[in-house]
Amino acid sequence: NAGVTQTPKFQVLKTGQSMTLQCAQDMNHEYMSWYRQDPGMGLRLIHYSVGAGITDQGEVPNGYNVSRSTTEDFPLRLLSAAPSQTSVYFCASSTGTENTGELFFGEGSRLTVL
Amino acid sequence: GNSVTQMEGPVTLSEEAFLTMNCTYTATGYPSLFWYVQYPGEGLQLLLKATKADDKGSNKGFEATYRKETTSFHLEKGSVQVSDSAVYFCALIRTSYGKLTFGQGTILTVHP
Repeated sequence: NAGVTQTPKFQVLKTGQSMTLQCAQDMNHEYMSWYRQDPGMGLRLIHYSVGAGITDQGEVPNGYNVSRSTTEDFPLRLLSAAPSQTSVYFCASSTGTENTGELFFGEGSRLTVL
Repeated sequence: GNSVTQMEGPVTLSEEAFLTMNCTYTATGYPSLFWYVQYPGEGLQLLLKATKADDKGSNKGFEATYRKETTSFHLEKGSVQVSDSAVYFCALIRTSYGKLTFGQGTILTVHP
């Protein structure tokens, strides 16, 4: 089973560049989310979606955009990268249309912004 | 708001030692509580959970009891193995739709 797949695993950007982190799941999960992981700060929620066409902001949404055109895919876009966005990003999904707290995580995407 | 506080780390133990890893929380109402584990180079995996007071979650020899009176959910294992070396995250959810709050994580290293 593929589960939650993230690409790329590593990326280096220059300040001001844009990019998209891809996330796909093959479990037919309605709920999907993006987190960033920073040392000493745990994971913080960026954006989430409870189904195709529905997205909402988490606690640190600034500088990021998302869309959900299909159940399977939930890309995260950085419109103008900043050094403060250097982090490890995780996509996670859950069964149903609500987050029960039982999340399935991808392996992460490590982003460095110079 | 909701918050989760984990013990200062990292924690270093010898194989077969007893593990206690502290987690306390602040939340209104009755949150569900979780421990997630992150092995090197991987994403997080759910280790165990408890959804109401006095519930005990258990998995892979790890246990944690939901203590509402002390707002705690401490993780324990009687005999750790080298393969338990990982980062452990305590987390809570108070509402649905993505509001899972994580602690800062505790690194566990187990030596042979």
